[in-house]
Amino acid sequence: GEDVEQSLFLSVREGDSSVINCTYTDSSSTYLYWYKQEPGAGLQLLTYIFSNMDMKQDQRLTVLLNKKDKHLSLRIADTQTGDSAIYFCAERLGSGGSYIPTFGRGTSLIVHP
Amino acid sequence: DTGVSQNPRHKITKRGQNVTFRCDPISEHNRLYWYRQTLGQGPEFLTYFQNEAQLEKSRLLSDRFSAERPKGSFSTLEIQRTEQGDSAMYLCASSPRDKAFFGQGTRLTVV
Repeated sequence: GEDVEQSLFLSVREGDSSVINCTYTDSSSTYLYWYKQEPGAGLQLLTYIFSNMDMKQDQRLTVLLNKKDKHLSLRIADTQTGDSAIYFCAERLGSGGSYIPTFGRGTSLIVHP
Repeated sequence: DTGVSQNPRHKITKRGQNVTFRCDPISEHNRLYWYRQTLGQGPEFLTYFQNEAQLEKSRLLSDRFSAERPKGSFSTLEIQRTEQGDSAMYLCASSPRDKAFFGQGTRLTVV
């Protein structure tokens, strides 16, 4: 995922907020996604945002999109030990371009008591 | 369970053997993707189908790899003459339009 970059690790204390950041390169991206992967499992779609939005909230999750800087973030409020996993950011072009999601290398979130 | 289903979940094979994986997408999802994931990396795109048509193939997909999606339903990914470097998790995803849903993956170990 050289077109999508994420920091590799994030460590937070249980109950705090976590903010996972991602930068992407293609300004034509129309959909941006956050996936969660637990050890040995597939990817679970957490949330996604369309490029004409700048914020989306879904329970404990808040996605912020800064199109000018091509920056996407995922905030997890009240982080729990069950949130420990690898989080992947992905971009996808819309119609007229490739429909193929492109992934970053993932951010490993470690939640400690 | 109406999610994406992949079989087998695990496969151990000797170098040089052929292997085939199956993916059953969510019903009526017309788009299907295969990805490969190695340790510490994100999923890397291999190939993409829209209905039964294979529309894109990555340069990662060497001549030893072939994928099919007959009738636009399930898909198979075959690797011929496996090499140790093929050891990875192979992930399948399906999409109706905007969101891709992944299966649990098939972990391949080539010994």
